[in-house]
Amino acid sequence: ETGVTQTPRHLVMGMTNKKSLKCEQHLGHNAMYWYKQSAKKPLELMFVYNFKEQTENNSVPSRFSPECPNSSHLFLHLHTLQPEDSALYLCASSPWGGTNYEQYFGPGTRLTVT
Amino acid sequence: GESVGLHLPTLSVQEGDNSIINCAYSNSASDYFIWYKQESGKGPQFIIDIRSNMDKRQGQRVTVLLNKTVKHLSLQIAATQPGDSAVYFCAENGSGGGADGLTFGKGTHLIIQP
Repeated sequence: ETGVTQTPRHLVMGMTNKKSLKCEQHLGHNAMYWYKQSAKKPLELMFVYNFKEQTENNSVPSRFSPECPNSSHLFLHLHTLQPEDSALYLCASSPWGGTNYEQYFGPGTRLTVT
Repeated sequence: GESVGLHLPTLSVQEGDNSIINCAYSNSASDYFIWYKQESGKGPQFIIDIRSNMDKRQGQRVTVLLNKTVKHLSLQIAATQPGDSAVYFCAENGSGGGADGLTFGKGTHLIIQP
């Protein structure tokens, strides 16, 4: 257990569906991240939130919409996805402002778009 | 952005032997490097990190070496065990603050032969 939980663990959705991924961290961290992990590709950073404010949007299509209501929770809202969006979506958190840059990852949500 | 990559996609070693996983990075401004381990069905798990003002850092059965001259990072695992079988990623955090996302390499699949 890393202190970062993600739900659901698996999700199958059609291209016209709307769904949301949830992440929660119990570490008291102030920064949270969404990454996409596709087969045979490096992890891709999608979004960064620091103290609930989005500090980075790594050229992610608008069909992915993040939400960070507080420093412990992070959502990724999904709508009109494409089959190529099928991947493992990983949430991570880290302290902010210190010298420790380590990020703690959740187990991920395996998303399949049909 | 700058890329972080791994030399070998798969590495097979005998149980009990030492293993070395290599990583090349291209961002000369990178000042922090991390090794992660990812087992099947799980998110990346922190192994060890090193800052650019160091050449070597040791943990429990693991050692990370940093050669800034040739921009090379390696992870040494001593006396490998079956539980070491996983995909190993190197990552760098550039020279930004703690809320920046990590840039990952593609990963090396370490296989431990009995």
